[in-house]
Amino acid sequence: QSALTQPRSVSGSPGQSVTISCTGSSSDVGRYDYVSWYQQHPGKAPKLLISDVNKRPSGVPDRFSGSKSGNTASLTISGLQAEDEADYYCSSYAGPFVFFGGGTTLTVL
Amino acid sequence: QVQLQESGPGLVKPSETLSLTCSVSGVSIRNNFWAWIRQSPGKGLEWIAYVFYSGSSNENPSLKSRVSISVDTSKNQFSLSLSSVTATDTAIYYCARDPSNDYGMDVWGQGTTVIVSS
Repeated sequence: QSALTQPRSVSGSPGQSVTISCTGSSSDVGRYDYVSWYQQHPGKAPKLLISDVNKRPSGVPDRFSGSKSGNTASLTISGLQAEDEADYYCSSYAGPFVFFGGGTTLTVL
Repeated sequence: QVQLQESGPGLVKPSETLSLTCSVSGVSIRNNFWAWIRQSPGKGLEWIAYVFYSGSSNENPSLKSRVSISVDTSKNQFSLSLSSVTATDTAIYYCARDPSNDYGMDVWGQGTTVIVSS
């Protein structure tokens, strides 16, 4: 089973920018532009932040942006706010399956 | 407003079958793709399966032999069955919607906790 690799944790101070990476392979991230990012606060269901590598659903602040280069996708959060402290997960289509990354805990210092 | 609600037993005995239903409101189940995802205690998300209203589905290869997905368009519901469960199947189970068939899930249920224990 394919798995996407994310850093276990990242941190930043309010106002700063942080980037979370999601490394897959040529069978998933590298092949398809179907990378999504989710935010999950404790005890809550995940919330979609980004789909199709870099598309933000309505209502998601433009502080959240996504990109991809080769087999690695990235989520950048600019202008960090206290409420951004959460777990973040990437996912990718890997025809015909979908895989999630292991998750990254963002700490706002 | 699209809403999803999972329902089913919160406790299942080892070796038995876990059965959950996702009730969809605010949109026809015919108009989107649907998914089941789970999260073991303190762990990350694990994709279980995708299903279209026609009943066609794709399952996680690690679970495929134990997973069955069905759709009831008359009730606007879709269901998950997971057979021969063990303690490792203890998790929060979520259902979710993929509106664009791009594998981004924009609406999630609140999740239902299933414990596998005798």
